[in-house]
Amino acid sequence: KNQVEQSPQSLIILEGKNCTLQCNYTVSPFSNLRWYKQDTGRGPVSLTIMTFSENTKSNGRYTATLDADTKQSSLHITASQLSDSASYICVVRNAGGTSYGKLTFGQGTILTVHP
Amino acid sequence: DGGITQSPKYLFRKEGQNVTLSCEQNLNHDAMYWYRQDPGQGLRLIYYSQIVNDFQKGDIAEGYSVSREKKESFPLTVTSAQKNPTAFYLCASSRTGNEKLFFGSGTQLSVL
Repeated sequence: KNQVEQSPQSLIILEGKNCTLQCNYTVSPFSNLRWYKQDTGRGPVSLTIMTFSENTKSNGRYTATLDADTKQSSLHITASQLSDSASYICVVRNAGGTSYGKLTFGQGTILTVHP
Repeated sequence: DGGITQSPKYLFRKEGQNVTLSCEQNLNHDAMYWYRQDPGQGLRLIYYSQIVNDFQKGDIAEGYSVSREKKESFPLTVTSAQKNPTAFYLCASSRTGNEKLFFGSGTQLSVL
């Protein structure tokens, strides 16, 4: 069964500190992995996409890593800001043979940044 | 501004009532989707459409119905057969079926 598990469920950090969120998946065959940021009461917004051949990708203060062998990804946030408070969702796409590769969503990590 | 517009933001349903959630996009995307989000769970796919006048059931289609008469619009009807409709509903679109999703701002549906 295709699954995406994220940890921790929630995290509280002080402004200016760094943090790392984890994503483990069992989706196969693998196509790509995206990290989304979802503010409370809003829709998710894509932060970054990782394909099989990519190990690291940065988007400003966000850095995603992918280890396709162990089926793990992480999202590292540097110098956190209050606006980073949100839910971070890991989403893995199947490499289906059709025109639609099925998505499996993690349950999200709720990050709270305190001043 | 290009994007996806969902309405209403909040919706209340009475027992035995059907309600319709609106989703409109002006991104010229072919594919559109409806997801349900419950606290502590990952998003679950209700229905998706890859082209006008065609749609497919997702993982939790029972108690829901959709239509795709126009490329820009993909309304979702929550029928009285859906016994636990309270959730946050997200509409999304993508250029094709395998590309990045763009999400609307969601509709919170509650039962009176």
